[in-house]
Amino acid sequence: AQSVTQPDIHITVSEGASLELRCNYSYGATPYLFWYVQSPGQGLQLLLKYFSGDTLVQGIKGFEAEFKRSQSSFNLRKPSVHWSDAAEYFCAVGPMNTGFQKLVFGTGTRLLVSP
Amino acid sequence: DAGVIQSPRHEVTEMGQEVTLRCKPISGHDYLFWYRQTMMRGLELLIYFNNNVPIDDSGMPEDRFSAKMPNASFSTLKIQPSEPRDSAVYFCASSLAGGGQETQYFGPGTRLLVL
Repeated sequence: AQSVTQPDIHITVSEGASLELRCNYSYGATPYLFWYVQSPGQGLQLLLKYFSGDTLVQGIKGFEAEFKRSQSSFNLRKPSVHWSDAAEYFCAVGPMNTGFQKLVFGTGTRLLVSP
Repeated sequence: DAGVIQSPRHEVTEMGQEVTLRCKPISGHDYLFWYRQTMMRGLELLIYFNNNVPIDDSGMPEDRFSAKMPNASFSTLKIQPSEPRDSAVYFCASSLAGGGQETQYFGPGTRLLVL
């Protein structure tokens, strides 16, 4: 079955420190890959996406993600975290045969930023 | 431009009552999605429309749930009768197909509590 795994439920990072959030997927072929962020009481906002080409993708708010086919991973990174980055982060995949329509979301990683 | 608009933002109702959630997608978008988010099940796709036509409703939990899209600028998700286990945040999202760069834009959600 197709699945998305975000192994970390919670992560605490000091302000100014680097961040890496993990995402692994299980699909027969490379799907479309997304990272979304959800602030408390808000909807989901797209941070970045990968469809093809360069495996290092730049997004908004200083985030980037790297697609590694051999590891079936699409980890999200940021070199220096700001207090405003505290939120929940969701990895999502869209199978190639359905394009983006039927996104499957991971369970999310809640990021806490300490002073 | 206005984003995806959902109403109401909060709804509290009693078991057995009918609940109607409303969504106005981004103007010009031709796909509309309804999601449900709960602590136990995460973010689930319930149904999606293309050009006002339901394409896949396999995620709709049961017959108590129904969704309509009478025109390109309006959709409803109805629960009749509602049950406490329907308590969740319901998101609407929309997107514009084409070019392989589709992105789903989410509304702020409707937080539903069924007592």
